[in-house]
Amino acid sequence: AQSVSQHNHHVILSEAASLELGCNYSYGGTVNLFWYVQYPGQHLQLLLKYFSGDPLVKGIKGFEAEFIKSKFSFNLRKPSVQWSDTAEYFCAVNARSNYQLIWGAGTKLIIKP
Amino acid sequence: GAVVSQHPSRVICKSGTSVKIECRSLDFQATTMFWYRQFPKKSLMLMATSNEGSKATYEQGVEKDKFLINHASLTLSTLTVTSAHPEDSSFYICSARRLAGFTDTQYFGPGTRLTVL
Repeated sequence: AQSVSQHNHHVILSEAASLELGCNYSYGGTVNLFWYVQYPGQHLQLLLKYFSGDPLVKGIKGFEAEFIKSKFSFNLRKPSVQWSDTAEYFCAVNARSNYQLIWGAGTKLIIKP
Repeated sequence: GAVVSQHPSRVICKSGTSVKIECRSLDFQATTMFWYRQFPKKSLMLMATSNEGSKATYEQGVEKDKFLINHASLTLSTLTVTSAHPEDSSFYICSARRLAGFTDTQYFGPGTRLTVL
């Protein structure tokens, strides 16, 4: 069965620190990969997605993610975080043959001003 | 683009009553919409997949007679929680599937907080 794991449930960083949130999935076929963000009191928003092509994907607000097929990973990165990046981040995957999303448990990111 | 709305954003009802939640894709057509529950400190739980013009597909353990889903048009799906009980109190979120060329992305509504007294 497909599954998605996010390595850290909580991450606390200071402003200007670099960020990397891990995401690994288990599925042998072709997948689409997503990162969603939920800011406090707001709804889920798409941060970035990967379908094909360049494995380094750039999203909104300076985020990027790299798809490493050999590692079944799709880690989210940002070189310098801001207080406004405080949110919960969810990694999700769907198989090309099945559009249902499989979700990671989420990572709560807290940025200290 | 790709905006999804939900109505109402909050609802409080008495035990035994029914509550209808609407999900609309505002600027695109969605043949498929999804309904989720989000529990505190947990990830999203898919309840059902709503297909325009056909019956919804429910996930294992979700009572289809309790959570009625209707997807009457390409921009509207409704979830009706029938005979609601306090254990149905939760945050319900819909998403709409947008197909654009090669890409296939779900866009989420803002959610509906249901409190059953």
